[in-house]
Amino acid sequence: KAGVTQTPRYLIKTRGQQVTLSCSPISGHRSVSWYQQTPGQGLQFLFEYFSETQRNKGNFPGRFSGRQFSNSRSEMNVSTLELGDSALYLCASSLEGNDSPLHFGNGTRLTVT
Amino acid sequence: EDQVTQSPEALRLQEGESSSLNCSYTVSGLRGLFWYRQDPGKGPEFLFTLYSAGEEKEKERLKATLTKKESFLHITAPKPEDSATYLCAVQALNNFNKFYFGSGTKLNVKP
Repeated sequence: KAGVTQTPRYLIKTRGQQVTLSCSPISGHRSVSWYQQTPGQGLQFLFEYFSETQRNKGNFPGRFSGRQFSNSRSEMNVSTLELGDSALYLCASSLEGNDSPLHFGNGTRLTVT
Repeated sequence: EDQVTQSPEALRLQEGESSSLNCSYTVSGLRGLFWYRQDPGKGPEFLFTLYSAGEEKEKERLKATLTKKESFLHITAPKPEDSATYLCAVQALNNFNKFYFGSGTKLNVKP
């Protein structure tokens, strides 16, 4: 069974630009979550989607947004990039239900210059 | 507020030297506590889920235990390939779509 796939693996952008990251969950997983990982803050929750609906959102500015498609694939967008947005962005999928850990992709490394 | 604290931040062991990693948590009703392993340049890899105090799970040289306030990841006779960052996360009963992660323990096992 294929794991969570994130594209691209690496991105370099300049301040003020916008970026879109993509995530394909494990087949059959309908919940997709996004996390930002930085050395200083660890993993911080961005948002979670299920059946194309955002069910939960973390404490990030409105420049961070996401969406989920009918095939459960998800994208996240960051507009007006800032230097502090440089991080590893991780996508995770899970089955709905009590015994459902997150299964992570290998992330997209975003560098903002 | 729900939060997770892991200690130590870094741990260096000799091959075969057993030790434990700690994960302390504050959550308004625990639904589950999760342990992950993360290798450099990769996403976290799921190891265990624990649900109630007294529960234990084992996998090869790793054993995870849970109390009402903390969890331990015991590493018995570690090998260099166990070197990684170990993360724990909690899931609250009233907000199960969001996981709270600790900042991790970076384990280095020397041959």
